[in-house]
Formats: sequence, structure tokens, C-alpha cells
Amino acid sequence: GQNIDQPTEMTATEGAIVQINCTYQTSGFNGLFWYQQHAGEAPTFLSYNVLDGLEEKGRFSSFLSRSKGYSYLLLKELQMKDSASYLCAVDQAGTALIFGKGTTLSVSS
Amino acid sequence: EAGVTQSPTHLIKTRGQQATLRCSPISGHTSVYWYQQALGLGLQFLLWYDEGEERNRGNFPPRFSGRQFPNYSSELNVNALELEDSALYLCASSLVGADGDNEKLFFGSGTQLSVL
Repeated sequence: GQNIDQPTEMTATEGAIVQINCTYQTSGFNGLFWYQQHAGEAPTFLSYNVLDGLEEKGRFSSFLSRSKGYSYLLLKELQMKDSASYLCAVDQAGTALIFGKGTTLSVSS
Repeated sequence: EAGVTQSPTHLIKTRGQQATLRCSPISGHTSVYWYQQALGLGLQFLLWYDEGEERNRGNFPPRFSGRQFPNYSSELNVNALELEDSALYLCASSLVGADGDNEKLFFGSGTQLSVL
């Protein structure tokens, strides 16, 4: 089976940096996705990590440690529009993506 | 290019009825996935279709079923509706990599199903 954990809620202020953690226990691991979902909208792709290390994409970065079963999404220079749910999803061989319950991030001014 | 489209946007049914939800993938995508998103539970995997075949099924009862048509569009059927089936049903499409690995999913905006 799979077990994916991420915090339920986080709060931060505009301009700050926030790190959203995701831990997983799974077999046949291929990689890890991060998605963003604004309220009432479809999830949209943010990043995909296959190898250990940090991948940077503008204000967003994602990190993976396969040996520790751990990933994080780092959001810099937070903006109000970053208020959303952030979903980590494990990519396993032979099955569809399995999602965590998501972390709801609230950014205040 | 059109994204993943789902219909209807909203669906209201009563307990015991059947619901049919539809999804059209992005042109060229052969894989379609169905997820249920209920409050507080995150995205729960329902079904995966690729090239017209059911590839994988999540931990849901048999009254959740579906199919994929030759044009790769898909239908999700929920029989004998129960109150707890009320949720947002999301469809996603992707290409499947040559090595069988998942490519990134593109999601539709979902069908909000309410069971009264």
C-alpha cells in the first residue's frame, strides 16, 4: 500500500518563504509530482522530481530524497495568489498517481 | 488546443439513482483517469483507462464503473448512489511514456455530484 503525509494547513505572509513537506512510504517508486489547486478549480502541474536533489522553477522549487521518502515544495516571495491547496502525488510503476490529502496554504497581507 | 473537458458541471441526484459523468481528454492523450475529491479526503483514485482498456482500479465498490470509447473519451457510471458519493469527480488525461511510466496529468474542472 501507500502512505503519503503532508500538513493539512499552513499560513504565511506576503513576501515570505514557505516549505510544504511531503513524506511517503511506497513500493515501485518512480517519482513525485506537485500540483496546485485553487478553490473551485482543476489541479495544475507544478513539478516532477525523479532524481534526488532540488529543482528550481522560478519562485517555486521542489526537492526529493528517495532514500528518506521525503519531498518538499518551496515557495519564495509569496503572493496572495499563491493561496491554494498543494498536492503531492507519488508516481508508482503500473498504477495511477496516488495523491496526498493536500496542504491548504493561506497567504495574508 | 482544448484542455480536458467534463460534463455536466453539476449533477444533482437522489439516493439510489444512477449518475453518468463524461470526460473528453486532450487531443492525442490515450489515458484517462478518474478521481473522487470529497471534502477532507483529498483526491482518491477511482479508475484508469488506456487504449480502451481498464488498467487499474482504486479501492471503490463495483457500483463505480466506467469505460473508454474508441475516440478516448470516457464515461464514469455510479450506480445505487449513496449520500457519501457526494463529491467533486475529476477526470485527467495523459500520455503514457514508452516505458510505461506516468506522464503528468492534465485535469478537467470536474463534475460536482450532489446526492440528496
